[in-house]
Amino acid sequence: AQSVTQLDSQVPVFEEAPVELRCNYSSSVSVYLFWYVQYPNQGLQLLLKYLSGSTLVKGINGFEAEFNKSQTSFHLRKPSVHISDTAEYFCVGGTSYGKLTFGQGTILTVHP
Amino acid sequence: DTGVSQDPRHKITKRGQNVTFRCDPISEHNRLYWYRQTLGQGPEFLTYFQNEAQLEKSRLLSDRFSAERPKGSFSTLEIQRTEQGDSAMYLCASSPQLSQGRTDTQYFGPGTRLTVL
Repeated sequence: AQSVTQLDSQVPVFEEAPVELRCNYSSSVSVYLFWYVQYPNQGLQLLLKYLSGSTLVKGINGFEAEFNKSQTSFHLRKPSVHISDTAEYFCVGGTSYGKLTFGQGTILTVHP
Repeated sequence: DTGVSQDPRHKITKRGQNVTFRCDPISEHNRLYWYRQTLGQGPEFLTYFQNEAQLEKSRLLSDRFSAERPKGSFSTLEIQRTEQGDSAMYLCASSPQLSQGRTDTQYFGPGTRLTVL
């Protein structure tokens, strides 16, 4: 069975600092990985996805993630965060037919 | 593109009552998913449809829960004899089907927040 673990429940950071949100996955089948973001009082939005190909994936709003098969990780990074990046971020694993397994979520709080 | 819509957005009910939620997916998407999100947790998969066929149900979906997608368009999720533990956000998502059966990005609706008193 597929499982996704987000290693930090909360990450506080100052504006314009870099940030990394950590995610590890376990799976014995094909790996599809996603990062979704949930802004306060809004629905889930896709940040980026890895289905195959290049292991460095670029998403919206300057975020990127690297698929690392040997370390079973899919960490999310941004070189310089803004106040507007404050949100909850979910690392998600998916099957080929679409069933998603969500991590527990990481609340990113960007301070001025 | 109007996105995925869900109705109602909020529902407050008394324990033991039945409730029904509706999801309208993006029109050309043939796959539709239901998830449940409780406070402080990530969403959990409940069930999914390909067109009108319900292809998988989670063990979380007890016999009090039933989902339908009768014409392969909108879907309903009904909870009978609600319990306080059913209080959660119920999310619907849809996606197109790619070649070779693979799926693509799921687009989520705003959710229906259920409170059982």
